[in-house]
Amino acid sequence: ELKVEQNPLFLSMQEGKNYTIYCNYSTTSDRLYWYRQDPGKSLESLFVLLSNGAVKQEGRLMASLDTKARLSTLHITAAVHDLSATYFCAVGQGAQKLVFGQGTRLTINP
Amino acid sequence: SQTIHQWPATLVQPVGSPLSLECTVEGTSNPNLYWYRQAAGRGLQLLFYSVGIGQISSEVPQNLSASRPQDRQFILSSKKLLLSDSGFYLCAWGGWLNTEAFFGQGTRLTVV
Repeated sequence: ELKVEQNPLFLSMQEGKNYTIYCNYSTTSDRLYWYRQDPGKSLESLFVLLSNGAVKQEGRLMASLDTKARLSTLHITAAVHDLSATYFCAVGQGAQKLVFGQGTRLTINP
Repeated sequence: SQTIHQWPATLVQPVGSPLSLECTVEGTSNPNLYWYRQAAGRGLQLLFYSVGIGQISSEVPQNLSASRPQDRQFILSSKKLLLSDSGFYLCAWGGWLNTEAFFGQGTRLTVV
């Protein structure tokens, strides 16, 4: 059974700082996704990572995938308040399913 | 472009009442369709997924059922709601392997 674990689950940081969210998964998979959720809202797709060593960047967010270590990271550079949200990673299982991590609630303080 | 519609946005239902949530997708054919539930402050739990009309896979035994009467329509139902059915229900669609899942706006269900 595929298990996906994120850490930390809660993260409070100051604007301008850098930090990384980690996503570990238990069995081999060929695709990993990062989503953002604002309070009371649905999920917004951020990144799709499909191969070992894949790296994608959008603004202050950068995601990477190491399939050998079964690890993905979401790095936040020079955080700003607008990035406050809950971030989920999701790992593909079989052809159709996605298994989600627990989510990381990120709060960025001025 | 593809769009996904989910309704209603919020719903308050008494215990023991029936439930029907509907999700439709536009701009794509033969999508994989999913129902997820998110309890308050928690992650997403996959409830059902469907790879085609009439094909439903259930992930968690519970008080809910799903149906796919048309290619781009996915319905979540219950005959009698329980308090524990409260949560944020999200419909999603995805293509074949290596494509991401796109989510509807969600239905916040409160069972009272």
